[in-house]
Amino acid sequence: EADIYQTPRYLVIGTGKKITLECSQTMGHDKMYWYQQDPGMELHLIHYSYGVNSTEKGDLSSESTVSRIRTEHFPLTLESARPSHTSQYLCASSESTSVNYEQYFGPGTRLTVT
Amino acid sequence: GNSVTQMEGPVTLSEEAFLTINCTYTATGYPSLFWYVQYPGEGLQLLLKATKADDKGSNKGFEATYRKETTSFHLEKGSVQVSDSAVYFCALVTMNRDDKIIFGKGTRLHILP
Repeated sequence: EADIYQTPRYLVIGTGKKITLECSQTMGHDKMYWYQQDPGMELHLIHYSYGVNSTEKGDLSSESTVSRIRTEHFPLTLESARPSHTSQYLCASSESTSVNYEQYFGPGTRLTVT
Repeated sequence: GNSVTQMEGPVTLSEEAFLTINCTYTATGYPSLFWYVQYPGEGLQLLLKATKADDKGSNKGFEATYRKETTSFHLEKGSVQVSDSAVYFCALVTMNRDDKIIFGKGTRLHILP
């Protein structure tokens, strides 16, 4: 069973607020990812990291930022939330040396900005 | 570039029916292929995988065979259950420098009792 956690699971917040979505994994994985999932279920990679102090932007432009100060922790921050940020956010991790490249996913955070 | 195309949903079947969800891919090199499943209110979890041509991945009664000649990785199950209702994602990874996983758009499956 995957040991990757996301908090909060659900968040309703007003426009203009700063929010941080937490993601932690206990598997010692070097690689971590953030996906945004739209209502049609399609996944969009917005950020990824290859290890501590490594962060890269994904395929979908996002106003969010990420940090990777510790291997196990990969938080995502929105400085000023807007209704267009309403979505499901999924965090994932994988081993850096796995030839099968399996990604392990957290349960997701459903964000609603009013 | 690399891409994955899977059949659009939703797919609605009766319990015990045969399931096929089509998936084709475009990739340079020799990708590894995956099926992930997302149950309601959860994140994705790996269902099965195949890492080279002609490999068959299987799990929980689901199967998919890596067909290089047709660039396909169709998901099949002989007799579906209500508990199989979920969203299914086909995906690939190539041995490139960035090795990012490429997901299809997902297929929602509804199984009626």
